[in-house]
Amino acid sequence: DSGVTQTPKHLITATGQRVTLRCSPRSGDLSVYWYQQSLDQGLQFLIQYYNGEERAKGNILERFSAQQFPDLHSELNLSSLELGDSALYFCASSVERGGETQYFGPGTRLLVL
Amino acid sequence: QKEVEQDPGPLSVPEGAIVSLNCTYSNSAFQYFMWYRQYSRKGPELLMYTYSSGNKEDGRFTAQVDKSSKYISLFIRDSQPSDSATYLCAMRAMEGGSEKLVFGKGTKLTVNP
Repeated sequence: DSGVTQTPKHLITATGQRVTLRCSPRSGDLSVYWYQQSLDQGLQFLIQYYNGEERAKGNILERFSAQQFPDLHSELNLSSLELGDSALYFCASSVERGGETQYFGPGTRLLVL
Repeated sequence: QKEVEQDPGPLSVPEGAIVSLNCTYSNSAFQYFMWYRQYSRKGPELLMYTYSSGNKEDGRFTAQVDKSSKYISLFIRDSQPSDSATYLCAMRAMEGGSEKLVFGKGTKLTVNP
């Protein structure tokens, strides 16, 4: 158990809908990272927050957004969902600003029908 | 050319074998190099990270970085069935004041008893 929690574990929704994925980092970790993992693209870095501020952006679509709250939990919002958004979404946390030692959560499996 | 290339395998070896996993990269700005292990239906778990060129050893695992060749390796000695997983390389750079994190697609390893 990495100490990172993600909810929900599974999510099934329809195209065009909007969903919110939630992540609680390990106690004391200030950085939260979001990733998308699909079979064809592998693990893609989406976005990083450090202590409430956006720190780095990866291959995040404009339909996706994230935020980190004062209690350091984070939410990833996915809107106007498409079939191709079906994937595993992971959250990771680390104590430092850099990404060398990240601890991953169990992931949220999203299926868009 | 992709920034990070990793042979997806699959790789199947007998128990006790030495396993060599590799990644190549094209961006000379990468300075931190990580290896993650991911069991089926779980989040990635950090195995090792190294900074710049050189070797790092941790038990049965050795990570090597050759920045001149833009090539990194993970060696597993005395491989065990419990090592069966997908191994992901990851690299980090600072570009334009922003952090960049890129993962390889992963190599699936099976160690047969």
